[in-house]
Amino acid sequence: GAVVSQHPSRVICKSGTSVKIECRSLDFQATTMFWYRQFPKQSLMLMATSNEGSKATYEQGVEKDKFLINHASLTLSTLTVTSAHPEDSSFYICSARDEGPQGGYTFGSGTRLTVV
Amino acid sequence: RKEVEQDPGPFNVPEGATVAFNCTYSNSASQSFFWYRQDCRKEPKLLMSVYSSGNEDGRFTAQLNRASQYISLLIRDSKLSDSATYLCVVNIRGFQKLVFGTGTRLLVSP
Repeated sequence: GAVVSQHPSRVICKSGTSVKIECRSLDFQATTMFWYRQFPKQSLMLMATSNEGSKATYEQGVEKDKFLINHASLTLSTLTVTSAHPEDSSFYICSARDEGPQGGYTFGSGTRLTVV
Repeated sequence: RKEVEQDPGPFNVPEGATVAFNCTYSNSASQSFFWYRQDCRKEPKLLMSVYSSGNEDGRFTAQLNRASQYISLLIRDSKLSDSATYLCVVNIRGFQKLVFGTGTRLLVSP
């Protein structure tokens, strides 16, 4: 089945630094990928929809200058958390939609970000 | 009002029990429905899609009631390995994104 690889799985960074998270579709092309954030005991909240070759669409309340998304190819989207603060500590998960006949949403394994 | 609402639980049941989860959605343009399973600190994984006619996959049965905007998941003969959070997920017509409920936590005990 469709596989989405997300790296790193865990990262600890200092306040004020930036962190880049990668999301790759391994065996299918994804023109659209999604970035979610999940705080403890809460559901996944969509942050933005990443579109290959164009600007991402951000959900209301998500700062586009803080959460930079780049989707330069059909198999790779990146999320960069800039000037990270402790309140950015969360579980970040990407998802891609397989637009082939099998179709479906596949999730990456997530990145646990801790900002100290 | 949340777009997708679920009882957060937890539901504590013994092995072998039958348990049912409910979910309501508010957007009448919702067109695709899913149940995902999420284990602690892991990504969600698709359990099953939900079809209008209802569908079954082994011990799991999903039902959809479009008139009431209501989705259910029934788990029969619960196993310890069924312990997880079950997420009700909806896709709205015209949008590619998925909308997640807060999830219902299930704990199956020996």
